[in-house]
Amino acid sequence: DAKTTQPPSMDCAEGRAANLPCNHSTISGNEYVYWYRQIHSQGPQYIIHGLKNNETNEMASLIITEDRKSSTLILPHATLRDTAVYYCIVRVNTDKLIFGTGTRLQVFP
Amino acid sequence: EAQVTQNPRYLITVTGKKLTVTCSQNMNHEYMSWYRQDPGLGLRQIYYSMNVEVTDKGDVPEGYKVSRKEKRNFPLILESPSPNQTSLYFCASSLAREGHEQFFGPGTRLTVL
Repeated sequence: DAKTTQPPSMDCAEGRAANLPCNHSTISGNEYVYWYRQIHSQGPQYIIHGLKNNETNEMASLIITEDRKSSTLILPHATLRDTAVYYCIVRVNTDKLIFGTGTRLQVFP
Repeated sequence: EAQVTQNPRYLITVTGKKLTVTCSQNMNHEYMSWYRQDPGLGLRQIYYSMNVEVTDKGDVPEGYKVSRKEKRNFPLILESPSPNQTSLYFCASSLAREGHEQFFGPGTRLTVL
């Protein structure tokens, strides 16, 4: 599985866009990029996934570079409830997700 | 409401006393799995099941058993718990092994004294 690298922590002002980067330079052609988040010891929550194209859903947008070696999760209008640890995972599918240490996003008023 | 439920949510027990953590999902999912989460180690998969009567080991199966007699239930059994199994446990399910979204339960915090 491709290894991912994320910054350990980030801050974001409430109402602003939160842009969370992820590097996955060894990603292979059939591997998807998944994003999950975990709010304070609750069960991880699926956010979004993508293969090549940019994706958007009601929670977030996922921007994948053309060479697929990095991606950015965008929360367009961060709220205090978006404070969580965000995990970027690269897998062929959702089987046996491997969660690293993720990025701890702190949204402040 | 589509959900994965776990019981109990909190449990304090003693070494050697058998226990079962239940997991149930109401989404007719084929794939279910158990993870444990420990500080600094992230989430690690214990066991998974691709369908009824089909189970297999994950990365850290030692000391655990599972069964999948019904599609909706996937209990985690600790026959003889030890203090190193003190952890936060999550059950998860997805439509199929090839699915893209895994749904996680709320977690069970287990302390073994």
